[in-house]
Amino acid sequence: DAGITQSPRYKITETGRQVTLMCHQTWSHSYMFWYRQDLGHGLRLIYYSAAADITDKGEVPDGYVVSRSKTENFPLTLESATRSQTSVYFCASSESQYRMLTGRDTTLHFGNGTRLTVT
Amino acid sequence: QKEVEQNSGPLSVPEGAIASLNCTYSDRGSQSFFWYRQYSGKSPELIMFIYSNGDKEDGRFTAQLNKASQYVSLLIRDSQPSDSATYLCAVSSNQFYFGTGTSLTVIP
Repeated sequence: DAGITQSPRYKITETGRQVTLMCHQTWSHSYMFWYRQDLGHGLRLIYYSAAADITDKGEVPDGYVVSRSKTENFPLTLESATRSQTSVYFCASSESQYRMLTGRDTTLHFGNGTRLTVT
Repeated sequence: QKEVEQNSGPLSVPEGAIASLNCTYSDRGSQSFFWYRQYSGKSPELIMFIYSNGDKEDGRFTAQLNKASQYVSLLIRDSQPSDSATYLCAVSSNQFYFGTGTSLTVIP
């Protein structure tokens, strides 16, 4: 089915381990985003990508690495997980960031989220 | 100062009443304003967007924007128990900023 899927849905890992969260979209959207959601902070942008091989930092990029070798995939890696990275992670995509930001394109699609717990 | 401020609530209204959700933002260069609904354990879903001053209506939902006051609101008329969720205000400037959300409970 078309859409944006994240995996895994739940993950428990230990401090110091490397973890990769996967995001796959079937719409061929140019833009993809990673957010984390925490109580009291709302949704905060970690990284985003305008196209394959183009990525940029968001508000809270420290401790995270992204790559985008193919348009449809945008994995997020925690190189050495810390307890402060316990959160719910959402991947999102949009056809055009300009159109999205100006309200001309309302299709910011979110994945179902990954709940990550770092012990 | 946060880019987008919302009262966290919880806000409780009886079924059939009007629910009023408010949001303020700090960047006067913000271009567009969005309201997302998020059910517990689910991802956010867009319900309204607005980019011109004034009101925009869509069914039971009305978004109101006042750029001079840097204020956005969402009115939900004839509130239903199914409207019980967290409502996220989002603002676009150089990035897309979300508020922390207001929890709404509609009491049958």
